Amino acid sequence: DAKTTQPPSMDCAEGRAANLPCNHSTISGNEYVYWYRQIHSQGPQYIIHGLKNNETNEMASLIITEDRKSSTLILPHATLRDTAVYYCIVRVRDNYGQNFVFGPGTRLSVLP
Amino acid sequence: GAVVSQHPSWVICKSGTSVKIECRSLDFQATTMFWYRQFPKQSLMLMATSNEGSKATYEQGVEKDKFLINHASLTLSTLTVTSAHPEDSSFYICSAHRTSGSGGETQYFGPGTRLLVL
Repeated sequence: DAKTTQPPSMDCAEGRAANLPCNHSTISGNEYVYWYRQIHSQGPQYIIHGLKNNETNEMASLIITEDRKSSTLILPHATLRDTAVYYCIVRVRDNYGQNFVFGPGTRLSVLP
Repeated sequence: GAVVSQHPSWVICKSGTSVKIECRSLDFQATTMFWYRQFPKQSLMLMATSNEGSKATYEQGVEKDKFLINHASLTLSTLTVTSAHPEDSSFYICSAHRTSGSGGETQYFGPGTRLLVL
């Protein structure tokens, strides 16, 4: 699986948009970009995933650059409950199941 | 989203005892489940891949005789830490792979089990 690079930490003011970047310059054509987050002492929570088109759901938006070498997760209106470690993972999506390789992620602190 | 549960959520045991942790996919069937371990201030590390009806696949450095995995049904996988020692104290997290024709294919994680071995 391709390696990802994320900033170790970020701050965001409550109510503002949080933009979390991720670099995956060695991503392959069949690898998807997944985002998970882990709130303290809980299991990771799925947020969103995409291949090459931008994606949006009730939690966030995922913007993938045209060359697919980087992406940005956008939390449109961050709240204090969004404080967590955010993981960007790239992997092939298949039907046989494949583990996710977690890097150190980005620790997002939403400030009041 | 899909729901994965773990039981117990936390456990304290004496050194030398065995502890069983259950992982259940509540609203979908999972032929593949994964067990991770997370030490304080570190990221998740994969321990093993659990396949329904077959033997688990362990990552390098993980003792298969110490961490027994059983995946007897499509909704249940168990991890048994045998003869636990204080260095086994950690946060154990399972995940279940869900496949779907609607693009919802991904992994869903349980809430984790915190183990403290005295």
